[in-house]
Amino acid sequence: EAAVTQSPRNKVTVTGGNVTLSCRQTNSHNYMYWYRQDTGHGLRLIHYSYGAGNLQIGDVPDGYKATRTTQEDFFLLLELASPSQTSLYFCASSETENTLYFGAGTRLSVL
Amino acid sequence: QQQVRQSPQSLTVWEGETAILNCSYEDSTFNYFPWYQQFPGEGPALLISIRSVSDKKEDGRFTIFFNKREKKLSLHITDSQPGDSATYFCAASKDYGNEKITFGAGTKLTIKP
Repeated sequence: EAAVTQSPRNKVTVTGGNVTLSCRQTNSHNYMYWYRQDTGHGLRLIHYSYGAGNLQIGDVPDGYKATRTTQEDFFLLLELASPSQTSLYFCASSETENTLYFGAGTRLSVL
Repeated sequence: QQQVRQSPQSLTVWEGETAILNCSYEDSTFNYFPWYQQFPGEGPALLISIRSVSDKKEDGRFTIFFNKREKKLSLHITDSQPGDSATYFCAASKDYGNEKITFGAGTKLTIKP
């Protein structure tokens, strides 16, 4: 079974702060994704990647950067965090079967 | 505009009853529809999926019914168990080969013993 590990699990920062969320997958999947989950909106795609060095823009990318350094590692960067970015963030990986394997999530609070 | 809509937002049924979760979509080029199940404190996990060439998909107590003409689908959970209490997300994508997946807002299902 796919293993996707996110860190940290919880993060609190202040408005204007700099935050990096990390994700590592150990199943050699080519595709990795960052989603945010908010009540009433479900899961919304922020950024995704087809492989190391590749980055694709998702549906809600404003205020977020991402970087895929290796096949295993995908990072989400909030350089000037705002309260509207308070959310539950999920990383996922997949191969071509379209099955997403999600991590356990990172809860981010921006005060 | 939300591409994938789910109803109801929340649903409570008694143990042993059939729970029916509804989903509709806007884009007629969507052709792959997975349902994900999420328990509190965990990430979503694939439960069952259907492609638009089929009108029904069964996996144990879970069945998807798909109506391509009306752009609607539903997830039926028969003989509901308290362990089925979770949030269920309907999702859609355009190609089987890993185009990005669009999720609905979810239905929170509670099964009362």
